[in-house]
Amino acid sequence: NAGVTQTPKFQVLKTGQSMTLQCAQDMNHEYMSWYRQDPGMGLRLIHYSVGAGITDQGEVPNGYNVSRSTTEDFPLRLLSAAPSQTSVYFCASSYARDSNYGYTFGSGTRLTVV
Amino acid sequence: AQSVTQLDSQVPVFEEAPVELRCNYSSSVSVYLFWYVQYPNQGLQLLLKYLSGSTLVKGINGFEAEFNKSQTSFHLRKPSVHISDTAEYFCAAKDEKLTFGTGTRLTIIP
Repeated sequence: NAGVTQTPKFQVLKTGQSMTLQCAQDMNHEYMSWYRQDPGMGLRLIHYSVGAGITDQGEVPNGYNVSRSTTEDFPLRLLSAAPSQTSVYFCASSYARDSNYGYTFGSGTRLTVV
Repeated sequence: AQSVTQLDSQVPVFEEAPVELRCNYSSSVSVYLFWYVQYPNQGLQLLLKYLSGSTLVKGINGFEAEFNKSQTSFHLRKPSVHISDTAEYFCAAKDEKLTFGTGTRLTIIP
């Protein structure tokens, strides 16, 4: 089934460890983005990309890096995990940043940093 | 910057009763509005959207929403809820970027 695939679904990290959250889509969407979801705060944009080779910061980018070498993949890297990064992370994609079709979301990665 | 307010963090409703989930957005020259639903342990799914035209928008699963420009609101309604509607509902507004509200958890009481 076409859509957005996120791996892993669950992850526990120790403070200071690094890891990469994977996101892949097979819909040929140009726009991809990462959100974090925290209780009482809704979804907040971390980073986004309007096409291969182009990335930009959202509203909460600190502590995260991204790259977009292909149209399909948009990995999110935590270089040195902190307890404040405990959250549920969602990847979303769309035909374009200003697409009015809405975004397609992955099923999320639940990250706990201890 | 655009902001989206969902006044109710939790809404309990008896099965087969009507429900309204409230959403207000900050005024903007041009804004598109969305409602997303998140079932337990799943990602977000698009319920409905308002781009232009008729202010009453119908979505999936019997939900509808009404765009009210003068009140800057986009409330979500369903005339009769089912147990399967238990989920968290997010309102979102899009001008330059997509901004989400903090969500409303809908609980259906049997």
